[in-house]
Amino acid sequence: GENVEQHPSTLSVQEGDSAVIKCTYSDSASNYFPWYKQELGKRPQLIIDIRSNVGEKKDQRIAVTLNKTAKHFSLHITETQPEDSAVYFCAATFPMDTGRRALTFGSGTRLQVQP
Amino acid sequence: EPEVTQTPSHQVTQMGQEVILRCVPISNHLYFYWYRQILGQKVEFLVSFYNNEISEKSEIFDDQFSVERPDGSNFTLKIRSTKLEDSAMYFCASSALGFRTGENSPLHFGNGTRLTVT
Repeated sequence: GENVEQHPSTLSVQEGDSAVIKCTYSDSASNYFPWYKQELGKRPQLIIDIRSNVGEKKDQRIAVTLNKTAKHFSLHITETQPEDSAVYFCAATFPMDTGRRALTFGSGTRLQVQP
Repeated sequence: EPEVTQTPSHQVTQMGQEVILRCVPISNHLYFYWYRQILGQKVEFLVSFYNNEISEKSEIFDDQFSVERPDGSNFTLKIRSTKLEDSAMYFCASSALGFRTGENSPLHFGNGTRLTVT
């Protein structure tokens, strides 16, 4: 099955700095890579996703890059704010028509933005 | 914005008891999922459900687990004989059919049910 590695496990930045979280995946058949933000005691919420036919996607202060050859993808948050503090999970899954529906999550990165 | 809703928010049960966790997926979604998250750990896939049958399940989803869509709106997870290690947050999720064959659409998670087995 798919295996997703995520690092760092914790990340502390000063407000206004950038944060980068990296993930690698094992199965080259994976083609969909979402990122979720989870605040303490709450549900994971999708913040951005990328499909394998795209190398980069940006949404305001958040961007995701994908390197299919190296099988890694990264989340970039610019101009961080205290409300960005949360646990961030990357995930990977396969095309819908494979019948393999499971999202495999990384182990999470606890981001702390210091005011 | 439509949401996945889960009940109860917290369930306490004794070891060996049966529990049923309930979910109402987003109404036009066709794929339903259960995930669990042990405290402080990552989210783990349990099972996916489409067209009234299980389409995929993980090693965690053994014979003590079952899922059901008893009517047009509810999706349930039953744990037959709970164990201490079943204590976790259980998340239901749903997704719409992809725009084209092979294209994933995002998962929307509910707020979870915290299951505590004593």
